[in-house]
Amino acid sequence: GESVGLHLPTLSVQEGDNSIINCAYSNSASDYFIWYKQESGKGPQFIIDIRSNMDKRQGQRVTVLLNKTVKHLSLQIAATQPGDSAVYFCAENPHTDKLIFGTGTRLQVFP
Amino acid sequence: NAGVTQTPKFRILKIGQSMTLQCTQDMNHNYMYWYRQDPGMGLKLIYYSVGAGITDKGEVPNGYNVSRSTTEDFPLRLELAAPSQTSVYFCASVRDSSGEQFFGPGTRLTVL
Repeated sequence: GESVGLHLPTLSVQEGDNSIINCAYSNSASDYFIWYKQESGKGPQFIIDIRSNMDKRQGQRVTVLLNKTVKHLSLQIAATQPGDSAVYFCAENPHTDKLIFGTGTRLQVFP
Repeated sequence: NAGVTQTPKFRILKIGQSMTLQCTQDMNHNYMYWYRQDPGMGLKLIYYSVGAGITDKGEVPNGYNVSRSTTEDFPLRLELAAPSQTSVYFCASVRDSSGEQFFGPGTRLTVL
């Protein structure tokens, strides 16, 4: 289940289960959204993106869902593996030169 | 392509010292960014640049300076290091504003 850690909310899942990480974005003008994965001691790494003319986009074991009505973005990871343990950030582009990053969610995968 | 590279990987500074964090990208990206990330926190934008010769402040620019004399390089300068600048610094780049940003491996800075 979810719990609020020291700074980042944490999602703990069992290996093999599906994970859902949620993100509420702030700007209704945003038309491009990205999910990043950050492993300990490394820089953020691109996972998947979606534009506002889509509701769903699938990658390898990952799916991003976009609900513009409630300004909500989610990342679904199928058959979660230990290597998926990381902090996941969503980011939005509100038609500016900058991305707005969410605060992040820590995913912990236990055997 | 090496992507985005940052040097040094680690550095310890004394209060009041200065240093430059280097960032280079070989993807011919126009846009480059500097972020800082405090432990257990998200990314805060320090400065960014939309092309050579153009820089602009982000969310937390105080205590930092940047320059962008070439497309490839975007150094970040700390003039008078303070303990509050202890953080991990990430550089990122993107071809234009509508794509995903590519991040470097980070520089871990400690100011004592």
